[in-house]
Amino acid sequence: EDQVTQSPEALRLQEGESSSLNCSYTVSGLRGLFWYRQDPGKGPEFLFTLYSAGEEKEKERLKATLTKKESFLHITAPKPEDSATYLCAVMNRDDKIIFGKGTRLHILP
Amino acid sequence: DSGVTQTPKHLITATGQRVTLRCSPRSGDLSVYWYQQSLDQGLQFLIQYYNGEERAKGNILERFSAQQFPDLHSELNLSSLELGDSALYFCASSVALSSNVLTFGAGSRLTVL
Repeated sequence: EDQVTQSPEALRLQEGESSSLNCSYTVSGLRGLFWYRQDPGKGPEFLFTLYSAGEEKEKERLKATLTKKESFLHITAPKPEDSATYLCAVMNRDDKIIFGKGTRLHILP
Repeated sequence: DSGVTQTPKHLITATGQRVTLRCSPRSGDLSVYWYQQSLDQGLQFLIQYYNGEERAKGNILERFSAQQFPDLHSELNLSSLELGDSALYFCASSVALSSNVLTFGAGSRLTVL
């Protein structure tokens, strides 16, 4: 069964304290791995798509990387406005998108 | 504003009742997805429509049904509601049948008492 597991469930960092969020997956025929950001009371907002192992994508203080079994979302020198839930998802060979439960990130000023 | 419109934003109802959630996709998007989000289960895929036709089904209960109309808006019908159906219901849209970028609406929060 296709599965996405994110860790940690929650993470509190001081402003400027860099860290990484993990997304491990098992999927039948990976067609893409996605990162979304979700703010409280809002729908998820698309951040990145990664297609193959070794690929990296960057956006401001965020960088996503992909291996054959997991993806990392690296957050460099985060600011309080980076506080959100970060969701990882994969698309399988049937074009079905499966989401993980997310990591709740809280950046303290 | 993502361009995906969901109504109502909040809905409180009783067990055994039936409700309808509505979604208008982003202009130009042909594909509509419904997801359920609860605290313990995360974001669960329910069903996908493309240009009026059902294309994929996830963990959607038999008490739930959906459709996409000719103007591309979609409705999710939830019947014989149970306490466990309380959740956020999100609609998302995309341009293509198997697009990897989904645009989500703000969600409809359903509370069943």
